[in-house]
Amino acid sequence: GDSVTQMEGPVTLSEEAFLTINCTYTATGYPSLFWYVQYPGEGLQLLLKATKADDKGSNKGFEATYRKETTSFHLEKGSVQVSDSAVYFCALSQYSGGGADGLTFGKGTHLIIQP
Amino acid sequence: EAGVAQSPRYKIIEKRQSVAFWCNPISGHATLYWYQQILGQGPKLLIQFQNNGVVDDSQLPKDRFSAERLKGVDSTLKIQPAKLEDSAVYLCASSLGGLYNTGELFFGEGSRLTVL
Repeated sequence: GDSVTQMEGPVTLSEEAFLTINCTYTATGYPSLFWYVQYPGEGLQLLLKATKADDKGSNKGFEATYRKETTSFHLEKGSVQVSDSAVYFCALSQYSGGGADGLTFGKGTHLIIQP
Repeated sequence: EAGVAQSPRYKIIEKRQSVAFWCNPISGHATLYWYQQILGQGPKLLIQFQNNGVVDDSQLPKDRFSAERLKGVDSTLKIQPAKLEDSAVYLCASSLGGLYNTGELFFGEGSRLTVL
């Protein structure tokens, strides 16, 4: 079945540091890829997505590029802030406009940004 | 716009007791999902509804878990009898679904279950 592997946390960085959170996937066909974020005390929310190979998703200074050749979707940000502290989940979906299309999640990476 | 509502937020029960969780999705969202998130793991899909029909329940432990969405709007997830390993956060999510689905799910804040 489909699966997502992401780097273990916690990841601790200083403010303004460069961030990379690695994510690789195993799936049949051509899934869509997502990063979801869970801030303390809040529900999961979509951060960015990419629906086909070489697409780049971006939002709030975060970026991730869908690399089919390496089956990866690494999350990057050039300069992190304390407010970016959260748990980040990489996920995939086989949605195709109908039918079973629930997300398959990685285990999550806890990011801690120190001032 | 109101988000996905879930209740209760917290529940503590003894093993072998029963528990029910309620979810009200975003208005107009045809698809509703229940996920189980055990501490330190990513959410795992339990069941997906499209309107009031089940689309995927392949990972639902049907001997103890049940879920319904009778009128195609709100949904209830029940566990009976509960086991220690059922301690987790139960997340409800919704999406437009069908041909309108963009792949984005909208999540509630979750219901945290502790089984003693």
